[in-house]
Amino acid sequence: DAKTTQPPSMDCAEGRAANLPCNHSTISGNEYVYWYRQIHSQGPQYIIHGLKNNETNEMASLIITEDRKSSTLILPHATLRDTAVYYCIVRGDTGANSKLTFGKGITLSVRP
Amino acid sequence: KAGVTQTPRYLIKTRGQQVTLSCSPISGHRSVSWYQQTPGQGLQFLFEYFSETQRNKGNFPGRFSGRQFSNSRSEMNVSTLELGDSALYLCASSPRQGFNYGYTFGSGTRLTVV
Repeated sequence: DAKTTQPPSMDCAEGRAANLPCNHSTISGNEYVYWYRQIHSQGPQYIIHGLKNNETNEMASLIITEDRKSSTLILPHATLRDTAVYYCIVRGDTGANSKLTFGKGITLSVRP
Repeated sequence: KAGVTQTPRYLIKTRGQQVTLSCSPISGHRSVSWYQQTPGQGLQFLFEYFSETQRNKGNFPGRFSGRQFSNSRSEMNVSTLELGDSALYLCASSPRQGFNYGYTFGSGTRLTVV
């Protein structure tokens, strides 16, 4: 079972920041938070991951709360091409915990 | 560099038949994972192979099997197909098991069982 909960959907205006929340209250100390997205009919695409510190790359920023029980993925300037299902995943780095367990994700709709 | 290649892209099979799907990982990647995606169950982990050995397995019946070759290419096989096996089958590769920089997914094979 997925260890994360996400709202089913949200929308934002093109050019604005999209803030996608995720709860992972049972996360263990050695588990990472990963974000993937899936655009219709394509395979999931890796976005970003983090352990405890905030992370930023060319696609997005990941903000993890100090207690690590929740996180937010930020797309700073959403475009229409960012419309997709976004998955927040908790994953360990060894053994059975290293597989990706996808939940239902959050559907982000970017409107013009 | 070339991405993860899955063949065929589309497949139609009859109930009771068996099917083999192929996945070629990114060059240099040694870990290959397989996932099944259906509208009802979402993305579900099937198994992961690393160095020709199955390292992780999901909760699927024994009709679902896989293997990995010495060049890291992987195949998955589904025997005695059922209507419920209709799905998008996705393969993902990474440099090694548990690699902490994410997996790269292919575009998938869409299997329809009639």
